[in-house]
Amino acid sequence: GDSVTQTEGPVTLSEGTSLTVNCSYETKQYPTLFWYVQYPGEGPQLLFKVPKANEKGSSRGFEATYNKEATSFHLQKASVQESDSAVYYCALSDLSSGSWQLIFGSGTQLTVMP
Amino acid sequence: EAAVTQSPRNKVTVTGGNVTLSCRQTNSHNYMYWYRQDTGHGLRLIHYSYGAGNLQIGDVPDGYKATRTTQEDFFLLLELASPSQTSLYFCASSLRDRYEQYFGPGTRLTVL
Repeated sequence: GDSVTQTEGPVTLSEGTSLTVNCSYETKQYPTLFWYVQYPGEGPQLLFKVPKANEKGSSRGFEATYNKEATSFHLQKASVQESDSAVYYCALSDLSSGSWQLIFGSGTQLTVMP
Repeated sequence: EAAVTQSPRNKVTVTGGNVTLSCRQTNSHNYMYWYRQDTGHGLRLIHYSYGAGNLQIGDVPDGYKATRTTQEDFFLLLELASPSQTSLYFCASSLRDRYEQYFGPGTRLTVL
């Protein structure tokens, strides 16, 4: 079945440094790809989504490019802030299970030190 | 702003106990979902529904029942709770099945 593999956490960075969270996926279909963010004490919320191959999604300074050939969707930010501390989830949605279920990666805990 | 609420926010029960988790959405969304979140596993789908009276099985349904009574309300039932069901449970809704999902704040369940 479908699967999503992302950078093992936790990741600790200093403010102003760059972030990359790797995400790779396996599916036989053509998925829509998502990044979700979860702040402490809250449910996950959509960061952005990219429905089409070779397109880029971005929000709040974060971006990721849907690389169909490499089956990757790495999350990047040039300069992280303390407020970016959260858990980040890569997810995909396609019809391989017969319905458009969201398949989540295991999450990457990011802590940004001031 | 999309709104999904869950109750209770915290629940402690004993092995063999009966638990009902409630979820309400005011987004006029068709789809509702129940997930559990565990360290190392991310979010796993338990059950979902595309309308009142409908129920679909997710990836980890064993030990759980669910019921969608109205478009707004979706309930998760644990009739014989076990310690393995100790987890953080999230409800979510979406307009259509392939659209982004909006999550509630979660219910932390502890089964002793």
